[in-house]
Amino acid sequence: NAGVTQTPKFRVLKTGQSMTLLCAQDMNHEYMYWYRQDPGMGLRLIHYSVGEGTTAKGEVPDGYNVSRLKKQNFLLGLESAAPSQTSVYFCASSYFGTSGADTQYFGPGTRLTVL
Amino acid sequence: AQSVTQPDIHITVSEGASLELRCNYSYGATPYLFWYVQSPGQGLQLLLKYFSGDTLVQGIKGFEAEFKRSQSSFNLRKPSVHWSDAAEYFCAVGAYFGNEKLTFGTGTRLTIIP
Repeated sequence: NAGVTQTPKFRVLKTGQSMTLLCAQDMNHEYMYWYRQDPGMGLRLIHYSVGEGTTAKGEVPDGYNVSRLKKQNFLLGLESAAPSQTSVYFCASSYFGTSGADTQYFGPGTRLTVL
Repeated sequence: AQSVTQPDIHITVSEGASLELRCNYSYGATPYLFWYVQSPGQGLQLLLKYFSGDTLVQGIKGFEAEFKRSQSSFNLRKPSVHWSDAAEYFCAVGAYFGNEKLTFGTGTRLTIIP
């Protein structure tokens, strides 16, 4: 049981390049999330999904797109990377508890640098 | 909208001393509260959560937290810290009903000195 995995672990991009971050979970969770973590700002939600084929915007969605074609995968895309997107990106998943999303389980993170 | 405040950016504690990390939340209804820990270069791991019932909750690694509705607080405590507790700690709040996402605080970095 691998939990939540993220690919890649590190990446360096040039301004304007595109890339996709992959998140996979093997816990059959309904909910999945993408966060970015910047010094002094905690975790900020980029996009999330409450089920296969559905996505929603979080707190800081601009410049990012997501897709959830399969329940176990949640992709985060950067179409035209900017230096402001240099960050550590975390994926998380959560099961549906008695009244909503429950504990979130986090992946190990992807450290992205945009030059 | 829900929000979380962790007023202490950085705390230094001697090994063996007690610890209390503060968390204040703002939410209009019944909250669902969490504490997560993040070791350097790692993802976040759940320490404990409060959903309902007993306001004093026990977590992993000897941590506990107390929910005080009147003070809108959910402070994390440990009676005796170990060097391995050095990490960053995040408090988070979600909705009790219809919860889809959490709001995280900005974190408190804990340093342990011998």
